[in-house]
Amino acid sequence: QVQLVQSGAEVKKPGASVKVSCKASEYTFTGYYNWVRQAPGQGLEWMGWINPNTGATNYAQKFQGWVTMTKDTSISTVYMDLSRLTSDDTAVYYCVYASGTDSAFDIWGQGTMVTVSS
Amino acid sequence: DIQMTQSPSTLSAYVGDRVTITCRASQSVNSWLAWYQQKPGKAPKRLIYKASSLASGVPSRFSGSGSGTEFTLTISSLQPDDFATYYCQQYKSYFLYTFGQGTKIEIK
Repeated sequence: QVQLVQSGAEVKKPGASVKVSCKASEYTFTGYYNWVRQAPGQGLEWMGWINPNTGATNYAQKFQGWVTMTKDTSISTVYMDLSRLTSDDTAVYYCVYASGTDSAFDIWGQGTMVTVSS
Repeated sequence: DIQMTQSPSTLSAYVGDRVTITCRASQSVNSWLAWYQQKPGKAPKRLIYKASSLASGVPSRFSGSGSGTEFTLTISSLQPDDFATYYCQQYKSYFLYTFGQGTKIEIK
């Protein structure tokens, strides 16, 4: 079964950008890699997905224009880049793999805490 | 956007109780509904997909039902390991996924 290992915690200043990585134990060219975030004490918020084969992306409307999802198949890694950070972006960011159209979100990474503070 | 509403927001129960959580969609999602369990400091874990399919390794005391706009997650006999927060998620359109706000199950 695929395992996802994310990069470590980040502390950023307002206005900066952050790039979180997610390495798959076995990269597959099917399904989708999603990013979901969770602010402290809050619920889950889906940000978008990237197709691991074509690199096509789909972002939630809220994040269009300030999130970028990319992939590097040579190292089995996908990335999520969020720009123009504010304190509202302080959250745990999860990389999540959906293996098929009916599977929902099968496999979750361990999460990466991003703190935005001046 | 499809809005997902869970009830209750918090539930207090005893070990051994039968527990039901409801999730309502603002429009039909057919059977494209999943349930997740999240414990403090941990990533969510998929329990149910396609409204009623039990994910691999999930105990049979968990079950899901419903279609269209109303869904339920039932735990037939609550165990100490089940005290957690539960989220529903619709994935009818893979251009926009949405989660419910969560239901926290507490020990009574």
